[in-house]
Amino acid sequence: ETGVTQTPRHLVMGMTNKKSLKCEQHLGHNAMYWYKQSAKKPLELMFVYNFKEQTENNSVPSRFSPECPNSSHLFLHLHTLQPEDSALYLCASSLHNEKLFFGSGTQLSVL
Amino acid sequence: TQLLEQSPQFLSIQEGENLTVYCNSSSVFSSLQWYRQEPGEGPVLLVTVVTGGEVKKLKRLTFQFGDARKDSSLHITAAQPGDTGLYLCAGANNLFFGTGTRLTVIP
Repeated sequence: ETGVTQTPRHLVMGMTNKKSLKCEQHLGHNAMYWYKQSAKKPLELMFVYNFKEQTENNSVPSRFSPECPNSSHLFLHLHTLQPEDSALYLCASSLHNEKLFFGSGTQLSVL
Repeated sequence: TQLLEQSPQFLSIQEGENLTVYCNSSSVFSSLQWYRQEPGEGPVLLVTVVTGGEVKKLKRLTFQFGDARKDSSLHITAAQPGDTGLYLCAGANNLFFGTGTRLTVIP
């Protein structure tokens, strides 16, 4: 148990669906992150939030929309995804960009 | 883009053997992190190396940061089945991750 909880653990969606991934941390951290982990590719940073403000957007397509209502919660809203977006989506948090604590991830399949 | 290449990509060894995995880049990093990821879970931080030439030990794991701070290695002594997992290096405050080494230790 890392203190970072992601839901759901698994998600199957069609290309026309809208869904959201949720991440919650109870560690008192100020920074939260979304990463994408695909087979045979390095872990890719998608978004970073520091004190609820987005500080990093790594050229992510607009069909991925992050939301950070407070320092403890992070969402990733998904719409009109493509099959190549199927991957493990990992959330992480840290205190002042130091040690990352990861959640267990959401395994997403886009049909 | 600061690319981190890890080698080997896959490694399968018998319990009790020693092994070394590598993380290399053409860029200089102020620090490098090593993570282990088990199936169905997120990566867990093992160590952070900061100083060129630094060596850190974590039980049977020995981490070294290159003098030029462009590369790092992880050596495991007497590997155990519990060491099985995906080993990832990361740099630039976790902005860039390596391609990973998937280690399997056979009992």
